[in-house]
Amino acid sequence: AQSVTQLGSHVSVSEGALVLLRCNYSSSVPPYLFWYVQYPNQGLQLLLKYTSAATLVKGINGFEAEFKKSETSFHLTKPSAHMSDAAEYFCAVSAIFTGAGSYQLTFGKGTKLSVIP
Amino acid sequence: KAGVTQTPRYLIKTRGQQVTLSCSPISGHRSVSWYQQTPGQGLQFLFEYFSETQRNKGNFPGRFSGRQFSNSRSEMNVSTLELGDSALYLCASSPLFAGGGQETQYFGPGTRLLVL
Repeated sequence: AQSVTQLGSHVSVSEGALVLLRCNYSSSVPPYLFWYVQYPNQGLQLLLKYTSAATLVKGINGFEAEFKKSETSFHLTKPSAHMSDAAEYFCAVSAIFTGAGSYQLTFGKGTKLSVIP
Repeated sequence: KAGVTQTPRYLIKTRGQQVTLSCSPISGHRSVSWYQQTPGQGLQFLFEYFSETQRNKGNFPGRFSGRQFSNSRSEMNVSTLELGDSALYLCASSPLFAGGGQETQYFGPGTRLLVL
């Protein structure tokens, strides 16, 4: 089975400050990991994904995430927050189940990011 | 390229009715997945269709069903609506079978369903 835990349902940062959104996963097989962002009344947009090529993944809008197998973590960071970063962020894990030939995309509960001017 | 489109964007139904939602994937994409998003349960996977076949299914009752047409467009149907079915229903498309795990899914804006 696989699961995703996002620590903190709400995170507030000042404009220009570091953004750190935490994600821990559980998977019985090597996972693929994703971060998505959702703006109000919109669908999800992919920020970045980890597919085992490199542990530090750079995404759009200045975001990046580091896969740490020993900590089963995939935290999302951005050096300097911008007002436009205010949105809800979702971490997701997808793992191929050997034998079953299929996968499941499991999302965390989401973290709402507020940026204070 | 046009993104994933979903119709209608908003829908109000009453308990016991049924509803059909539509999703048009990005041109060339063959996989369509459906998700339900609620404040309490978050994002939950409903099912995935690839080449007109359901390839994967989440843990939802049989009232939730779907299909995919030869042009990859997909519909989702919910019969005998319950109050708890009120949610944002998101559709996502990917070029190939998303069951491979690493396929990026591109999401539509969703259909917001309110059941009274």
